[in-house]
Parts: sequence; structure tokens; C-alpha cells
Amino acid sequence: GAVVSQHPSRVICKSGTSVKIECRSLDFQATTMFWYRQFPKQSLMLMATSNEGSKATYEQGVEKDKFLINHASLTLSTLTVTSAHPEDSSFYICSAVGFSGGARDTQYFGPGTRLTVL
Amino acid sequence: QKEVEQNSGPLSVPEGAIASLNCTYSDRGSQSFFWYRQYSGKSPELIMSIYSNGDKEDGRFTAQLNKASQYVSLLIRDSQPSDSATYLCAVNMGLYNFNKFYFGSGTKLNVKP
Repeated sequence: GAVVSQHPSRVICKSGTSVKIECRSLDFQATTMFWYRQFPKQSLMLMATSNEGSKATYEQGVEKDKFLINHASLTLSTLTVTSAHPEDSSFYICSAVGFSGGARDTQYFGPGTRLTVL
Repeated sequence: QKEVEQNSGPLSVPEGAIASLNCTYSDRGSQSFFWYRQYSGKSPELIMSIYSNGDKEDGRFTAQLNKASQYVSLLIRDSQPSDSATYLCAVNMGLYNFNKFYFGSGTKLNVKP
């Protein structure tokens, strides 16, 4: 149980385009989903926290107009990187926290999306 | 002071040995504690969670929690080369702020054949 999927797993796009990444909790309902970014050989960096039906909370230094987060349901959150540039190339990882059973208060991570902006 | 501190390593152990990974945290209100393993280029995967003082065993892994001293550790018995990864310690504020997690920067473990 407690499986989180992400789609796509890898995306290459041209500079200036927008990219949408989906994060789904497959077998539990998630009260909260988190979005992280990780550069090579660096630690996870929390970008934002999203709760279903409310606006995401962004960490300091993360541009909310550039990284749009929508948490439409208890099983789906999306991250849209708008007008992507090469410096946005990174490994984006989502995680989800459930509110019942084994998924309660535990973060389960998706497999990640590797974004390359040319 | 960081909320969660880990030695970045690398920690090198020979195959078959016990690997001991340590983590300290600053907030006494922390309720839940987690160990994740992250292979290079992959996302973190949950190894164990622990909520009460003492030891919790799962196969070759044992998590130890000491709330008075504010540390949590992970022991890996009979270490295998496949255990080579970065191990992340995470702490959840729990009861009053259950959506607040803090991660350590991770300890890199190398298990040498």
C-alpha cells in the first residue's frame, strides 16, 4: 500500500515552454502533498506544501507564479513549471501524506520527474 | 541550528558488518521519526518509522529512538553492497503540526564488497 505515482518520469522541453507534472496517491487519500526539487548531489529542497482545495504554501525563495501548484482532489496534485528555463532543469519529486491507516502522518514519495530544459 | 542533523559521511563499512547511522533533532515536540533510503538518481523510499522510545526491528534494520537525548539511529545488520545509498532522517511535528516535516541532509553509506 501507500503508493505514489508521478507522470511523466522524464521530460525534455524547449526554453520558454510550460511543463505540467502530475502526482497521484494511488491507494490512499492524501491530506497533504509536498513538492521537492533536488539538484545533483544535493539535498532535497522543499518547494511547497499543498492541501486539497486550498492554495499551496510556498517556501521562501520559490516563485509561486513560476511554479503553479493545483491540488484538485485528495489523490491528485499538479506542478506546472511555467516558462521553463535551463536553470529549472532538475529532479522534481512529490510526496503525499495520508490521513488514515498506515499512510497517516507518513510521507510517501513518488518516483520523481527529471526535467531538462534546452 | 538545523532542525535535523546528520553526518554527511561517507560512512564506509565492509560487507557483512553493522552500519550505524545517527540523527539528532532539535524540537522536543517532535512526534514521529522516519528513515528513508535514497539511491543515486532515485526518489527516497521509506525504510522505517518509529514513534516510541526504544528499538524497532524490521528484518536487517533496527531503528532506535531516545527522545530524552533527542536522537534517532538506524542500524543495518549484515550490510550488503546494495545498501549503499544516502539515508535520510526525517522528523514530523506530529500532534500539533502533523504536516510539518524536517529532513536531515542525509548520510551517504558505502558498503564495500
